[in-house]
Amino acid sequence: DAKTTQPNSMESNEEEPVHLPCNHSTISGTDYIHWYRQLPSQGPEYVIHGLTSNVNNRMASLAIAEDRKSSTLILHRATLRDAAVYYCILRDGQGAQKLVFGQGTRLTINP
Amino acid sequence: DGGITQSPKYLFRKEGQNVTLSCEQNLNHDAMYWYRQDPGQGLRLIYYSQIVNDFQKGDIAEGYSVSREKKESFPLTVTSAQKNPTAFYLCASSRQESSYNEQFFGPGTRLTVL
Repeated sequence: DAKTTQPNSMESNEEEPVHLPCNHSTISGTDYIHWYRQLPSQGPEYVIHGLTSNVNNRMASLAIAEDRKSSTLILHRATLRDAAVYYCILRDGQGAQKLVFGQGTRLTINP
Repeated sequence: DGGITQSPKYLFRKEGQNVTLSCEQNLNHDAMYWYRQDPGQGLRLIYYSQIVNDFQKGDIAEGYSVSREKKESFPLTVTSAQKNPTAFYLCASSRQESSYNEQFFGPGTRLTVL
């Protein structure tokens, strides 16, 4: 599985935008970029995914670099409920069978 | 409401005992998964199943067993052969195994072996 690199932790303030980076320099042409987040003592939840184009949904936006070697998850206006561990995951579009979780980025939101 | 249920939330067992963790989903999903999470770590895949009566080993299957007799159920047995069973266990399901279908996770079972 292609590897992703994320900062161990980040901190932001409530009601400000948050940009969570992810490097994936060995990404292949068929890899999708997925983001999940895990709130304390809960199971992970899906946030967003994309292949080449930037994506938006009600939770977040995903900005994908033109060469696809990096991406950024954008929370437009962070709330205290966004404090979680965020995982950036690559999944092969040709039939990968699993999510491979790294250690993710622990996001702290200050009131 | 549709979703995934895992029971119990907390489980304590003595060393050497087998224990079975329950996972049920009413989302009509074909694929189901079991993950293990240790403190401060990401999730690791134990077993997964794409259809009833079929399952495959994940990265850390040793000491675990599963069954998939019904579409909605995927119980995990932690056997006495598992060297370090104390962990947070998460069950997930997805519509169909592919790279772009999101996985839905249950609330998890925290197993402590004394």
